[in-house]
Amino acid sequence: DVKVTQSSRYLVKRTGEKVFLECVQDMDHENMFWYRQDPGLGLRLIYFSYDVKMKEKGDIPEGYSVSREKKERFSLILESASTNQTSMYLCASFPSMNTEAFFGQGTRLTVV
Amino acid sequence: RKEVEQDPGPFNVPEGATVAFNCTYSNSASQSFFWYRQDCRKEPKLLMSVYSSGNEDGRFTAQLNRASQYISLLIRDSKLSDSATYLCVSNNAGNMLTFGGGTRLMVKP
Repeated sequence: DVKVTQSSRYLVKRTGEKVFLECVQDMDHENMFWYRQDPGLGLRLIYFSYDVKMKEKGDIPEGYSVSREKKERFSLILESASTNQTSMYLCASFPSMNTEAFFGQGTRLTVV
Repeated sequence: RKEVEQDPGPFNVPEGATVAFNCTYSNSASQSFFWYRQDCRKEPKLLMSVYSSGNEDGRFTAQLNRASQYISLLIRDSKLSDSATYLCVSNNAGNMLTFGGGTRLMVKP
């Protein structure tokens, strides 16, 4: 079974902190995504990557950056956490178009 | 306008009912489509892919209408366990998955 693992289920951080959210997949997928999910707004794409060291901005990249140094790992970085970044963060991966995307279990981040 | 739009619901239906959800997409370059199911506080999981010819999986039927740019999901003989949020997803040529806001279904005894 494909496994997508996010480093934490729950995180509480202070405003202004630098926050790292890690995502690891074990199926050699090229494509990896970071979404945030908020009530009434659905899943919104922050960044995605289709290969090592490649990254593309999604719909809401402001306040975030990403890193993909290895194929299996895609990290989301909040440079200076703010309260409006309190959300559920979901990582996903899939091998190619027309195929199923697999999600991690999500990280519920609270910024206080 | 959102690229993928769904009626958020909730759809409240009795057990055994047939319920249908529609989803519209605006990007004509979208190549493939999916329905995902998301339970409360869980990650989305693939329910079924959507093909131009339509496809069926047990009680679930998905249809794609490229001319009108919408996809649909039909659930027959609803079960209590079908209660969830159903997410419509499109994948464009750039391998970018775009999600609709989800439609919440509540099946009542």
